[in-house]
Amino acid sequence: AQTVTQSQPEMSVQEAETVTLSCTYDTSESDYYLFWYKQPPSRQMILVIRQEAYKQQNATENRFSVNFQKAAKSFSLKISDSQLGDAAMYFCAYTSGGGADGLTFGKGTHLIIQP
Amino acid sequence: KAGVTQTPRYLIKTRGQQVTLSCSPISGHRSVSWYQQTPGQGLQFLFEYFSETQRNKGNFPGRFSGRQFSNSRSEMNVSTLELGDSALYLCASRETGAHNEQFFGPGTRLTVL
Repeated sequence: AQTVTQSQPEMSVQEAETVTLSCTYDTSESDYYLFWYKQPPSRQMILVIRQEAYKQQNATENRFSVNFQKAAKSFSLKISDSQLGDAAMYFCAYTSGGGADGLTFGKGTHLIIQP
Repeated sequence: KAGVTQTPRYLIKTRGQQVTLSCSPISGHRSVSWYQQTPGQGLQFLFEYFSETQRNKGNFPGRFSGRQFSNSRSEMNVSTLELGDSALYLCASRETGAHNEQFFGPGTRLTVL
């Protein structure tokens, strides 16, 4: 079974600084997708960024970028120029290429932004 | 397009009762997945429906069931409720394809007393 591990239960960063959230995963599949979701206090899950395993290039979305290390099965999220609105729980998630297994989530990292 | 909607938003039940939760996906999305979120277990996949067929189910007892209608709306049912079923139940819909974003609804907060 696939597993996703987020080793940082909580992270704190100063506004405008950069922070990196860690995620490792375990799978025997070769075709899969990785995601970072954000869940603010409203509980609404919002996709931050996605990465296809077959793509070597790291995904970027504005201030958000990932460091995808396929051999190490590592998928970290970097948030640049942190803003107060970035405060939330961040979940790393995995799904196989078929997609029918649903998303496997990590336990989450609570990100605190210090003004 | 309207987002994913879930009803009801809050629900209080007692042990032994059953409950039905509803999810309306984004128009055109044929895939609907359900997740349970608890403080202890985190986010766990319940099942996915596509074109009225359950494609896969997570590691949950048979008390948890679901269905999908021809308009892609989905319901999940939990019978013989237990205290441990108290959770936020999230529904997500997506277009066909694993790479496609799953759009989540606001969730149904179920409390079992």
